Amino acid sequence: EAGVAQSPRYKIIEKRQSVAFWCNPISGHATLYWYQQILGQGPKLLIQFQNNGVVDDSQLPKDRFSAERLKGVDSTLKIQPAKLEDSAVYLCASRPRAGLAEPEDTQYFGPGTRLTVL
Amino acid sequence: GNSVTQMEGPVTLSEEAFLTINCTYTATGYPSLFWYVQYPGEGLQLLLKATKADDKGSNKGFEATYRKETTSFHLEKGSVQVSDSAVYFCALNDMRFGAGTRLTVKP
Repeated sequence: EAGVAQSPRYKIIEKRQSVAFWCNPISGHATLYWYQQILGQGPKLLIQFQNNGVVDDSQLPKDRFSAERLKGVDSTLKIQPAKLEDSAVYLCASRPRAGLAEPEDTQYFGPGTRLTVL
Repeated sequence: GNSVTQMEGPVTLSEEAFLTINCTYTATGYPSLFWYVQYPGEGLQLLLKATKADDKGSNKGFEATYRKETTSFHLEKGSVQVSDSAVYFCALNDMRFGAGTRLTVKP
């Protein structure tokens, strides 16, 4: 079974530029998450989707960050404009719909996109 | 609000030593509890979980018991290997993570 796919794996930009990350969750997974993991810290939830609707975006800096999950499958996270403090690994994770073989509580993480803002 | 407090690292052990990484939580109700592991250069992986009080999660020789009375979920392994070197994260089912504990095992 294919895992959660993310691209690009690495991105270097200058401050005030824009950047976008893409995530394709495991097939059939209804819930999708975006996290920000700053070096030396645990992942911080940015936004949670259930199908194509937003469940929780309370920690998303909405003045510069946006995310969408059109058609309830893959998702993009955008930063515009980027700041130095946005340098981090951006993780995408998905979780199965209740009723599938996997326990509902289990999240599956992608490899992440490492963003460096200069 | 809900939170997770995790033992600060880094932790350095010799091979075959006993490992404990402490994790305590604050939450309403009885959340599921998780340990995730991040090996060098790899993504986060679920290591083990427990869904109710007194449950013991186990995997790859690691164990953690859900202790409601002490609101804890400490990770243990009786004999660590060099291949266990990684960062370990404790988490709640509302997707709050601890800060992570880096473990280095030396031969």
